[in-house]
Amino acid sequence: GDSVTQMEGPVTLSEEAFLTINCTYTATGYPSLFWYVQYPGEGLQLLLKATKADDKGSNKGFEATYRKETTSFHLEKGSVQVSDSAVYFCALSGRNTPLVFGKGTRLSVIA
Amino acid sequence: EAQVTQNPRYLITVTGKKLTVTCSQNMNHEYMSWYRQDPGLGLRQIYYSMNVEVTDKGDVPEGYKVSRKEKRNFPLILESPSPNQTSLYFCASSLNGGRVSNQPQHFGDGTRLSIL
Repeated sequence: GDSVTQMEGPVTLSEEAFLTINCTYTATGYPSLFWYVQYPGEGLQLLLKATKADDKGSNKGFEATYRKETTSFHLEKGSVQVSDSAVYFCALSGRNTPLVFGKGTRLSVIA
Repeated sequence: EAQVTQNPRYLITVTGKKLTVTCSQNMNHEYMSWYRQDPGLGLRQIYYSMNVEVTDKGDVPEGYKVSRKEKRNFPLILESPSPNQTSLYFCASSLNGGRVSNQPQHFGDGTRLSIL
């Protein structure tokens, strides 16, 4: 079945550092890909999405590019802030199949 | 304001005492879903519903029931809760009924259940 693998955390970075959180997927066909973010004490929020190969999703300085050839959707940000501390989930959704999540990566940014 | 509302936010109860967690959305979404979140396991889907009166099992349905009598509501029922159901639960909804592939899900703020 469809699955998502993302890098294990926790990830700890200093403010203004570059962030990459790796995500790879296994799916039949051409799924849509998502990054969700969960701030402490809150539910998940959509951060960005891409619905076809080579699409780049972006939001709040975060970017991820749908790479069909490597089945990847890595999340990047050039300069993280303390307020970016959260848990990040990669997810996919195939045709007529519910959303499948990775296990989440906890990011801590220190000043 | 578009939102998914879960109640209660926190509940401590005892083994075997039936409980219901309510979920309501005001976006006229067709698709609704319940997840549980556990450390090291991420989010796992319990049940989902493509539309009114249509429900299906997710990955971990054992010990749970759901119903979808109205479009806006999707309650999660634990008939006889056990300690292994202690977890953080999330309800979510999205627009699509049959095709969910490109629509994001909107999540509630979560319900933390402790079963003693």
